[in-house]
Amino acid sequence: DGGITQSPKYLFRKEGQNVTLSCEQNLNHDAMYWYRQDPGQGLRLIYYSQIVNDFQKGDIAEGYSVSREKKESFPLTVTSAQKNPTAFYLCASTNRGRNYGYTFGSGTRLTVV
Amino acid sequence: GQNIDQPTEMTATEGAIVQINCTYQTSGFNGLFWYQQHAGEAPTFLSYNVLDGLEEKGRFSSFLSRSKGYSYLLLKELQMKDSASYLCAVRDRSNDYKLSFGAGTTVTVRA
Repeated sequence: DGGITQSPKYLFRKEGQNVTLSCEQNLNHDAMYWYRQDPGQGLRLIYYSQIVNDFQKGDIAEGYSVSREKKESFPLTVTSAQKNPTAFYLCASTNRGRNYGYTFGSGTRLTVV
Repeated sequence: GQNIDQPTEMTATEGAIVQINCTYQTSGFNGLFWYQQHAGEAPTFLSYNVLDGLEEKGRFSSFLSRSKGYSYLLLKELQMKDSASYLCAVRDRSNDYKLSFGAGTTVTVRA
């Protein structure tokens, strides 16, 4: 079955360290997204990519970086410049005009210790 | 961009009906989505509306009025497992790939 896989599910990071969250999809979707969700809040867009080797900043890109070297993969790096990185991170993918919107991964919960 | 508003919280009794409203402002509406998200899990797709009217799927229905910039999600015969957050999301013609999300409505079902 096709799907979108995020790993790891739980991640702990020391302050000052960079960490990379993995997102892989085998749905042949063109577009991929990273969202951040804080307790009791909605989804905030960090970065998105509509084609390989191209990506755009979302609403809260500061302190994050991404790459899109392959269609299937869209890793997110949380850098030490991100002041409040503890959150639930969701990856999603879609194709143009899909009437189900996004397919989401199961999420990664990042905790800075 | 889009302004998407929905109530923060709602509480209802098992077996009852709850209606979650969503209002939006967008220059080029191209579809509205409802997702369900249980705590700590990924959102899952519930419904899609692009034309005015009611879409029914079992216990869940979604309504859209494009002229009013308004949608609602209706949950009937509530069950305890329906306790979750419900997210309204809008797609705009300026970017046919991208969705903008409301903050979500947390529904608590009580016995």
